[in-house]
Amino acid sequence: AAGVIQSPRHLIKEKRETATLKCYPIPRHDTVYWYQQGPGQDPQFLISFYEKMQSDKGSIPDRFSAQQFSDYHSELNMSSLELGDSALYFCASSLNNRYNEQFFGPGTRLTVL
Amino acid sequence: GNSVTQMEGPVTLSEEAFLTINCTYTATGYPSLFWYVQYPGEGLQLLLKATKADDKGSNKGFEATYRKETTSFHLEKGSVQVSDSAVYFCASSNTGKLIFGQGTTLQVKP
Repeated sequence: AAGVIQSPRHLIKEKRETATLKCYPIPRHDTVYWYQQGPGQDPQFLISFYEKMQSDKGSIPDRFSAQQFSDYHSELNMSSLELGDSALYFCASSLNNRYNEQFFGPGTRLTVL
Repeated sequence: GNSVTQMEGPVTLSEEAFLTINCTYTATGYPSLFWYVQYPGEGLQLLLKATKADDKGSNKGFEATYRKETTSFHLEKGSVQVSDSAVYFCASSNTGKLIFGQGTTLQVKP
């Protein structure tokens, strides 16, 4: 079965650079969530989209922005990168229902030097 | 706001031992509750879920019961295997986004 695809899997950037993370949800899933997981930490919700509109917002820095496109894939854009942005970034997709399972992608490991 | 608290790890057990990982939550209303498992270097996989009080979620020998009176969702397994070694996250959801506990590392020794 098709799973959530994230690219790239690994990314190394310098401070103050920008990064773009991509997420391709499971076909027919209409909701995408982004989470950030620091080393040894639990995942923290950043932002979500339902039918291409932002549906909820968590602890996402103003330097980050995201959108969901007409084909339902989503991109997380991160600017003015800081050392503290180094983390694992997960995308998850689901059908829009709080009872439904969120299927997680393998994550993008971002390292900021 | 909503929150989830798990017992701190690491938890180290011998193979075939009984496992309990405690999880309690605070939430407005009645959230759905989940246990996710994360193997080294991998993403999160749903282990089991419960959507209302007294529901029991179960999968691969793991069980957890949604206890409204104690606001708990403890994870149990009767006989752990080495392959169960991973990090386990308890999570709640009221509106879609997941709120995770701190995670509990389980190490099972042969």
